[in-house]
Amino acid sequence: QSALTQPASVSGSPGQSITISCTGTSSDIGGYEYVSWYQQHPGKAPKLLIYEVTKRPSGVSTRFSGSKSGNAASLTISGLQADDESDYYCTSYTSRSTLVFGGGTKVTVL
Amino acid sequence: QVQLQESGPGLVKPSETLSLTCIVSGGSILRDYWSWVRQPPGKGLEFIGFVHYSGSTNYNPSLKSRLTIAVDTSKNQFSLKLKSVTAADTAVYFCARLKDRPYYFDFWGQGSLVAVSS
Repeated sequence: QSALTQPASVSGSPGQSITISCTGTSSDIGGYEYVSWYQQHPGKAPKLLIYEVTKRPSGVSTRFSGSKSGNAASLTISGLQADDESDYYCTSYTSRSTLVFGGGTKVTVL
Repeated sequence: QVQLQESGPGLVKPSETLSLTCIVSGGSILRDYWSWVRQPPGKGLEFIGFVHYSGSTNYNPSLKSRLTIAVDTSKNQFSLKLKSVTAADTAVYFCARLKDRPYYFDFWGQGSLVAVSS
């Protein structure tokens, strides 16, 4: 199974909004509402930010939001903060009953 | 609060079998799915596979021929065995809970670095 496609890097200034895209196929993102997003700081385990495309777990800032259109999903971070500098990964359920991750996006706060 | 902890050798020789165990505490293994994810040094996350408490499994097709994931409900733990390893299998291996529909990883272990080297 091929990894979902994410931009290698995205940057923004404090207070700005940025969007990370995640492109798949009709066999994964396009076929299910099972897209989730994770934040990973260096040397740490990933942390769940968004599940089921748009839902936020308790405790996750409302500055993080998710969406989906066709075979692509997006994560938007609004009001960018220094602590948002991290790696971000999307994942989707697939028609093979497995999961597939995106290649990851490094977010830099300028 | 569910907690997961990986354990196993940090060094495995090429062609041998990589074995890891994940102990689950603070929650029952008799629900949802239990999964493994790995991350080679400096690279992204890769889905390995998951197991249900019933014993049913789903594996990444690229690893399926070398992979076994099993659950031991009496010990509230699950395991990973990857045979015939090469240097490309060097990675941090994470265990995680995978929620049953809508399939997301909500609790993670801290990760265990396994190096494949002679």
